[in-house]
Amino acid sequence: AQTVTQSQPEMSVQEAETVTLSCTYDTSESDYYLFWYKQPPSRQMILVIRQEAYKQQNATENRFSVNFQKAAKSFSLKISDSQLGDAAMYFCAYWDYKYIFGTGTRLKVLA
Amino acid sequence: EPEVTQTPSHQVTQMGQEVILRCVPISNHLYFYWYRQILGQKVEFLVSFYNNEISEKSEIFDDQFSVERPDGSNFTLKIRSTKLEDSAMYFCARQGAGGTGELFFGEGSRLTVL
Repeated sequence: AQTVTQSQPEMSVQEAETVTLSCTYDTSESDYYLFWYKQPPSRQMILVIRQEAYKQQNATENRFSVNFQKAAKSFSLKISDSQLGDAAMYFCAYWDYKYIFGTGTRLKVLA
Repeated sequence: EPEVTQTPSHQVTQMGQEVILRCVPISNHLYFYWYRQILGQKVEFLVSFYNNEISEKSEIFDDQFSVERPDGSNFTLKIRSTKLEDSAMYFCARQGAGGTGELFFGEGSRLTVL
């Protein structure tokens, strides 16, 4: 069975600085999708970024980018120029016709 | 504006009571999901529902739970006899186009069982 691990329960970053959130996963599949979701205090899960495993190029979405290391089964999220609005829970997820979520990382952004 | 609307946003119920949580997608889609998040814990898959049938369900989704889409629009999750441990946020989600796994979540329904 696939598993997703987020080893950082909480992270802090100074406004305008860069922070990296870690995620590792385990799967025997060769083709799959990985996601990062953001859950602000409003509670709704919002898609941040998606990575297709067959693509070697790391996905980027504005200030958000991933470091996808397929052999190491690692999928970290880098947030550049952090803003106060980035403060939220961040969940890493593996897609297997349903999401398998990690336990989440709470990101605090310090002014 | 969320593409999936959930009601109620918060429900308080007594243990043993039946609860129905509702999900209304704005556009007409066939593939839906329910997830549960106990306070402070990870988001857990409950059930997926495709074309008016359960596609997959987790171990959490026991006989106390049921899902249906009675009128072709509302997608409901029913808990027949609530237990204290059913207290959680329940999220409905619909699948995006293309089958690439992107889900659009509702804002969640918070269930508190006393």
